[in-house]
Amino acid sequence: NAGVIQTPRHKVTGKGQEATLWCEPISGHSAVFWYRQTIVQGLEFLTYFRNQAPIDDSGMPKERFSAQMPNQSHSTLKIQSTQPQDSAVYLCASSLDSSVSNERLFFGHGTKLSVL
Amino acid sequence: GDSVTQTEGLVTLTEGLPVMLNCTYQSTYSPFLFWYVQHLNEAPKLLLKSFTDNKRPEHQGFHATLHKSSSSFHLQKSSAQLSDSALYYCALSHSNNRIFFGDGTQLVVKP
Repeated sequence: NAGVIQTPRHKVTGKGQEATLWCEPISGHSAVFWYRQTIVQGLEFLTYFRNQAPIDDSGMPKERFSAQMPNQSHSTLKIQSTQPQDSAVYLCASSLDSSVSNERLFFGHGTKLSVL
Repeated sequence: GDSVTQTEGLVTLTEGLPVMLNCTYQSTYSPFLFWYVQHLNEAPKLLLKSFTDNKRPEHQGFHATLHKSSSSFHLQKSSAQLSDSALYYCALSHSNNRIFFGDGTQLVVKP
């Protein structure tokens, strides 16, 4: 079991460029979560999917951020027109069944996004 | 709404002393509580979680007791080790909902 795989590990973009982050959840897990981690804000919830369907995107900035899960083996987080304040570590996590409230999350190592 | 509060941003203590990291929560439901730990340059991982039958969860010497009366789930360990230095997140979830994390507490254990 390779765990949750996130690529790339590091991404540097110029201000105004687009960034796409990839996540491969653990096989058989039905829920995928995206979080943003910064020193100031800690772990901020962005969005989550269950069985590929978007369930809650209340943490997503309304502009420039979008997430998709086209199949059960990967999810993407896209940031258009990146800004310096988007610099953070973006963490993806999966769980076996998000409808079970005490189900643990398995996190990937994250993608560190640096916007210059 | 749901929220988790960790009052200490940084806790520094000497190896061998007891550890207590505070966590309180607000929820309109009866939630499950978790502690996640993140060591430097690693992914966060589950340390322990509350049980439905009110048993006290324990792992790697850490334990936490869910007190519904005070809405708390403090993390404790009797004797800190250097390897316990890490970022600790308290979190809550309830059925069919996302997981809410606190701001995290950085624990630094010195020799």
